[in-house]
Amino acid sequence: ETGVTQSPTHLIKTRGQQVTLRCSSQSGHNTVSWYQQALGQGPQFIFQYYREEENGRGNFPPRFSGLQFPNYSSELNVNALELDDSALYLCASRGGLADTQYFGPGTRLTVL
Amino acid sequence: AQSVTQPDIHITVSEGASLELRCNYSYGATPYLFWYVQSPGQGLQLLLKYFSGDTLVQGIKGFEAEFKRSQSSFNLRKPSVHWSDAAEYFCAVGDNNAGNMLTFGGGTRLMVKP
Repeated sequence: ETGVTQSPTHLIKTRGQQVTLRCSSQSGHNTVSWYQQALGQGPQFIFQYYREEENGRGNFPPRFSGLQFPNYSSELNVNALELDDSALYLCASRGGLADTQYFGPGTRLTVL
Repeated sequence: AQSVTQPDIHITVSEGASLELRCNYSYGATPYLFWYVQSPGQGLQLLLKYFSGDTLVQGIKGFEAEFKRSQSSFNLRKPSVHWSDAAEYFCAVGDNNAGNMLTFGGGTRLMVKP
């Protein structure tokens, strides 16, 4: 049990639509990261938020954006969906004294 | 730019046999290295990490890994594999020991024969 939950579990969208994925972290976890894992590949870092500010981004276009809220929840928004956006999206949070990072189970997004 | 290579896409071992999963990294400074395991329908679980000190690192579930700077490698080992170890294994490199902004390898799928 990691204490990191994600919703929804699965999602189907069509090309051009917009999607919002949600993550709920443990209390006290001030850092949240998002990763995209395409089928058969390793996760790729999208961006990281610390205390509601983005403080790191991987090689993803601006149509990938995020929000982090004071209640330790966060969102990943993707605009103008493309077929290649089909993937498992993982949220990871860390913080507290141990500063251990925990991953959520992911949201499987399918773009048709 | 940092990168991680896992040369073996699939590995099959018999239950009770030993296991070694290979990982090679490219990183400009002292690397922070991680091994994660991913079971179907689950998120990533940290097995172990290395950032300094003893180059042989012990992790959970009986796994260990050895950091070899001269070979840019961080191979994962287990002396005796159990059927429950069947999963996908990922090696990753980060810029601090907390696992910040990780770069992952492509993964190795482990299958265990009875």
